[in-house]
Amino acid sequence: SAVISQKPSRDICQRGTSLTIQCQVDSQVTMMFWYRQQPGQSLTLIATANQGSEATYESGFVIDKFPISRPNLTFSTLTVSNMSPEDSSIYLCSVAWGTGELFFGEGSRLTVL
Amino acid sequence: QQQVKQSPQSLIVQKGGISIINCAYENTAFDYFPWYQQFPGKGPALLIAIRPDVSEKKEGRFTISFNKSAKQFSLHIMDSQPGDSATYFCAASTGRGSTLGRLYFGRGTQLTVWP
Repeated sequence: SAVISQKPSRDICQRGTSLTIQCQVDSQVTMMFWYRQQPGQSLTLIATANQGSEATYESGFVIDKFPISRPNLTFSTLTVSNMSPEDSSIYLCSVAWGTGELFFGEGSRLTVL
Repeated sequence: QQQVKQSPQSLIVQKGGISIINCAYENTAFDYFPWYQQFPGKGPALLIAIRPDVSEKKEGRFTISFNKSAKQFSLHIMDSQPGDSATYFCAASTGRGSTLGRLYFGRGTQLTVWP
């Protein structure tokens, strides 16, 4: 498995501001993913981040709201833009091995006031 | 539409007992079924996974049972311990190609094991 580090681990933000979450992996991976876990809820895929190409967003998620960067094979960022209280969630970075196994970081806990 | 349905929502088991969590799916294209364990304040950790070519997989005290015809799979935790108290998520995906990493999660089961 990979070691996945996320920053920040938690943050409290004001409505209307933006926050960028960083994800660092200790090995090169082709595919990285961003998931959202709303309070007490399940996990939902936001987008797939592939190096050298635009991220692929799932239904209900748009690039203007959740811009993603993937500058190399070990790093990605997710920005939550123009935040509202409804964006209060845990945002999780994950990586997949070719076997289909998906591993998650510890998550970034965001509270929007 | 919930792609993977999980039950029960919460489960209380005595130490040493068996914990059973059930999941059902509709999409017959799914061919990878993992279970994740999540402790408070932590990310989900892959616990055990199965593919439909086998009906059961066991790793230590954890067993997945898979019923392809019924489109159901379950997690059994034998000899449950207080340290197993966590939220468990089942998931499903096609597990390969362009959909690799696109997991559909159940709503989770909060397991409490009493000492």
